[in-house]
Amino acid sequence: TQLLEQSPQFLSIQEGENLTVYCNSSSVFSSLQWYRQEPGEGPVLLVTVVTGGEVKKLKRLTFQFGDARKDSSLHITAAQTGDTGLYLCAGVNEPGNTGKLIFGQGTTLQVKP
Amino acid sequence: NAGVMQNPRHLVRRRGQEARLRCSPMKGHSHVYWYRQLPEEGLKFMVYLQKENIIDESGMPKERFSAEFPKEGPSILRIQQVVRGDSAAYFCASSPIGTGRHEQYFGPGTRLTVT
Repeated sequence: TQLLEQSPQFLSIQEGENLTVYCNSSSVFSSLQWYRQEPGEGPVLLVTVVTGGEVKKLKRLTFQFGDARKDSSLHITAAQTGDTGLYLCAGVNEPGNTGKLIFGQGTTLQVKP
Repeated sequence: NAGVMQNPRHLVRRRGQEARLRCSPMKGHSHVYWYRQLPEEGLKFMVYLQKENIIDESGMPKERFSAEFPKEGPSILRIQQVVRGDSAAYFCASSPIGTGRHEQYFGPGTRLTVT
């Protein structure tokens, strides 16, 4: 069973469209990170959210942590071709966790010109 | 400020050989995590180390795999007698001491191919 479910798994959109990626769980997480991974490279940290209800913005990207700290979303406004990549959510679940990250399966985003 | 460094980036081994993967954490980071990304699968935790200590190895296969993070030098992930199923990308991540946010910064990975 996957502790963190990401949806959709694949997304292909036109440049300029908006999109939302979801990361859901039945477990509570003490923190949740979003990463972006390019082919042949390691994941690059985009944001960390730790407080229920927290919203963070990174240019055209908006990240939200659910009130109960069980889910998160990533919204991209006016997508650009440079946004193409694999988006991963990863969380540290409670209690007593040593800090190891549990990853979702990832969302592959393709933005077409 | 150099990021997490891993070498080699690509490693080819024949079945039965040993693979040694190296990871140098970011400057000032004393926590190292290893993850494995199998083809068509997500990243899976393997082991968490601090200097000279294994803190959590709950994700490590019981046999053939070992990890260390010595007082001096890089962290090493060692796979003995490799099999085809070990072919994967292995990522190391480091984290600064004292953070409660568990932010981890990843290296570029080592892609292991077993022939």
